[in-house]
Amino acid sequence: KQEVTQIPAALSVPEGENLVLNCSFTDSAIYNLQWFRQDPGKGLTSLLLIQSSQREQTSGRLNASLDKSSGRSTLYIAASQPGDSATYLCAAQGGSEKLVFGKGTKLTVNP
Amino acid sequence: GAVVSQHPSRVICKSGTSVKIECRSLDFQATTMFWYRQFPKQSLMLMATSNEGSKATYEQGVEKDKFLINHASLTLSTLTVTSAHPEDSSFYICSALRAADTQYFGPGTRLTVL
Repeated sequence: KQEVTQIPAALSVPEGENLVLNCSFTDSAIYNLQWFRQDPGKGLTSLLLIQSSQREQTSGRLNASLDKSSGRSTLYIAASQPGDSATYLCAAQGGSEKLVFGKGTKLTVNP
Repeated sequence: GAVVSQHPSRVICKSGTSVKIECRSLDFQATTMFWYRQFPKQSLMLMATSNEGSKATYEQGVEKDKFLINHASLTLSTLTVTSAHPEDSSFYICSALRAADTQYFGPGTRLTVL
């Protein structure tokens, strides 16, 4: 059974700082790994999707990496802004199209 | 981009009543939709997979008679929480599968059972 863990559970940084969010998964037989953003009381916004054959994906100030063999993914946020404050979720997708989510990292970027 | 809506966004009901939540894919057809539940400070947990024209597949521990799912068309799936109790209070989110590996999520429905 796939289990996804995110560390840290919460993170507070000053504006402008670069930061890394970590995600680990127990079953390396994944189809893809996705990162989402969730604002309080809201649904999910997809940020990046990394296929199992890929090593990383980039979108603007965001860069996500994937190391299947070690069961790890990281989300790098450059030059953080207060608007980046949200909970970031990673999810691993297996062959059944089901997503298994981590509990998320709550990020606060202080002005 | 693909858009998925949910209705209502928020509902408050009395214990023992039934509540229906709709999930619609607005600009694409989805043969498969998923229903998730999220408790405070917890992860999204998959409840069931909804397949158009067939019975839903429920995850272990989810009562199929309590959480009724109907996927009657390629753009609509409904989740009915029957005889709701306070412990059913949660944030319910649906997603619609567009391509082989891309789920698009709805904005969620906050259910509060008094």
